[in-house]
Amino acid sequence: QKEVEQNSGPLSVPEGAIASLNCTYSDRGSQSFFWYRQYSGKSPELIMSIYSNGDKEDGRFTAQLNKASQYVSLLIRDSQPSDSATYLCALSSGNNDMRFGAGTRLTVKP
Amino acid sequence: DADVTQTPRNRITKTGKRIMLECSQTKGHDRMYWYRQDPGLGLQLIYYSFDVKDINKGEISDGYSVSRQAQAKFSLSLESAIPNQTALYFCATSDPGQGEGNEQFFGPGTRLTVL
Repeated sequence: QKEVEQNSGPLSVPEGAIASLNCTYSDRGSQSFFWYRQYSGKSPELIMSIYSNGDKEDGRFTAQLNKASQYVSLLIRDSQPSDSATYLCALSSGNNDMRFGAGTRLTVKP
Repeated sequence: DADVTQTPRNRITKTGKRIMLECSQTKGHDRMYWYRQDPGLGLQLIYYSFDVKDINKGEISDGYSVSRQAQAKFSLSLESAIPNQTALYFCATSDPGQGEGNEQFFGPGTRLTVL
């Protein structure tokens, strides 16, 4: 079992829809959770971080964390073609051990 | 100006050659990292450094070495490049004193091809 699991996709949604990206993890000691967006050939860009159970909203993005079920998700409302990218889930237990999932490729169709 | 820079951005080399990838940052962060990214495998940590005197191996350090010349500079070397080291290499920085967690900030990447 991988430490950080993501559906590789591609996930395709129409413009204006909600995109839902999911991530599960195996280390219950994980404390910090991150979502990075990576455009093809570019570097990962941090878009959300979450540390407590529940929801955290930032503009069109909402991160959801459930430590008991060991999953973290990212919702993108009103999806735009410019949101088309690979989304990387990452987590850390606080000991400088950031682990990344392989990413989910999202395509938003106009 | 970019906060984290990497040179070169692209490099093609031959098997057995020694290669150095350089990373510089102006963010003032103490922690620096080197990752490689292969299609479908996500980011894998090669080495990381908490400060100039601290170097640590990551999950895939074999075949690589690093040098932390200053707080702002962290270099990755491939002593004798082999084709399966063909990948996209990223440098990243972080400062646990900023923000709530160990958010990492990435350079633009170096695409390395070993023939």
